Amino acid sequence: GAGVSQSPSNKVTEKGKDVELRCDPISGHTALYWYRQSLGQGLEFLIYFQGNSAPDKSGLPSDRFSAERTGGSVSTLTIQRTQQEDSAVYLCASSLRDSEAFFGQGTRLTVV
Amino acid sequence: AQKVTQAQTEISVVEKEDVTLDCVYETRDTTYYLFWYKQPPSGELVFLIRRNSFDEQNEISGRYSWNFQKSTSSFNFTITASQVVDSAVYFCALSSPNFNKFYFGSGTKLNVKP
Repeated sequence: GAGVSQSPSNKVTEKGKDVELRCDPISGHTALYWYRQSLGQGLEFLIYFQGNSAPDKSGLPSDRFSAERTGGSVSTLTIQRTQQEDSAVYLCASSLRDSEAFFGQGTRLTVV
Repeated sequence: AQKVTQAQTEISVVEKEDVTLDCVYETRDTTYYLFWYKQPPSGELVFLIRRNSFDEQNEISGRYSWNFQKSTSSFNFTITASQVVDSAVYFCALSSPNFNKFYFGSGTKLNVKP
């Protein structure tokens, strides 16, 4: 597609369940980022991929969070044993190398 | 450390007024990049502009203009003759030379009333 695509758009899950969030970057973009935005807050960096490698995963809040990227394209962010504080909008962005990032519409995660 | 400060949490103006959104940044890098993004109520962040640290030329795009001043570490954004459709949250961001991370300010919510 023309832009960054994220799925699902909305996800409601029970506390303690695992969730997977998907990001399809813009074709040809080598860099991919995950950010988290809590209600009314700014953007919190989670992880950066260049190709399939993640040289910067310093923002992952705990070992319950993990992410992978395959084929230099699709990325999956996995949250294990979800907690209520994980509720937020998870934003994915992609970019050409050393260039501005373009964001997807986000996945709104609600943990009940 | 890298840091972006947007001191204005929320601004309300009446349509056709000019409005300036402030952005102050901190970095130890000699080369860096600055950005503005718009987040309308729909939620998707929209890229507006990128400025390189070695280029202090101001830029104008239609009703939008940006003022970059390295001496004061500021990258302010002005909307001239604001319109209701400009209502959104605006984020200023900073990237280091290797683009491994974008540091975002906390955002300024702009309300443009008819």
